[in-house]
Amino acid sequence: GPKVLQIPSHQIIDMGQMVTLNCDPVSNHLYFYWYKQILGQQMEFLVNFYNGKVMEKSKLFKDQFSVERPDGSYFTLKIQPTALEDSAVYFCASSFPGLGQDTQYFGPGTRLLVL
Amino acid sequence: QQQVRQSPQSLTVWEGETAILNCSYEDSTFNYFPWYQQFPGEGPALLISISSVSDKKEDGRFTIFFNKREKKLSLHITDSQPGDSATYFCAASFYQGGRALIFGTGTTVSVSP
Repeated sequence: GPKVLQIPSHQIIDMGQMVTLNCDPVSNHLYFYWYKQILGQQMEFLVNFYNGKVMEKSKLFKDQFSVERPDGSYFTLKIQPTALEDSAVYFCASSFPGLGQDTQYFGPGTRLLVL
Repeated sequence: QQQVRQSPQSLTVWEGETAILNCSYEDSTFNYFPWYQQFPGEGPALLISISSVSDKKEDGRFTIFFNKREKKLSLHITDSQPGDSATYFCAASFYQGGRALIFGTGTTVSVSP
């Protein structure tokens, strides 16, 4: 099926530093998403993005978070500055809405560890 | 409230048996319910989905049963195989392009040969 790629697969940084997580979505998809999963827990929605703009964001999407997709390149999640509680796996997803469904395809995740 | 709940938290079945995974939701505006399968170290992959206009959806060994009145769903995995061992997430959304998925807490299924 369609593949979403995420770079890097793992990232370890010190608290307070900036980190950028990169997502290469499926080429013809229009909607892009970030989800956060803490080890052993459910996936939680952070933000979605369409036509260059944030559509909706959850309370987990703190002021330190930002997303962009400049000129059709990577869809990125930037955290600046990072905090210990940002340690999690971040999944990117993309979708192209069809008739009665909007299948979101997920990448393999970036495992972020904030020390 | 936008909670999606799943039970049981974990489930072990023998190869060939039927595994039954349960899901319930609270928000009556939800009308799209995908189930995702996730293997350790990987992202979730869509397994099967149903919209609220249907009460049953079948795809091979996987069947969703949907009860709109009670706001409950179940995923039945018939003839379970060791390769089905994974975590299964029920999710819910209001279908409109690009809406957020609300995920349940997951059920980890182990299939013993």
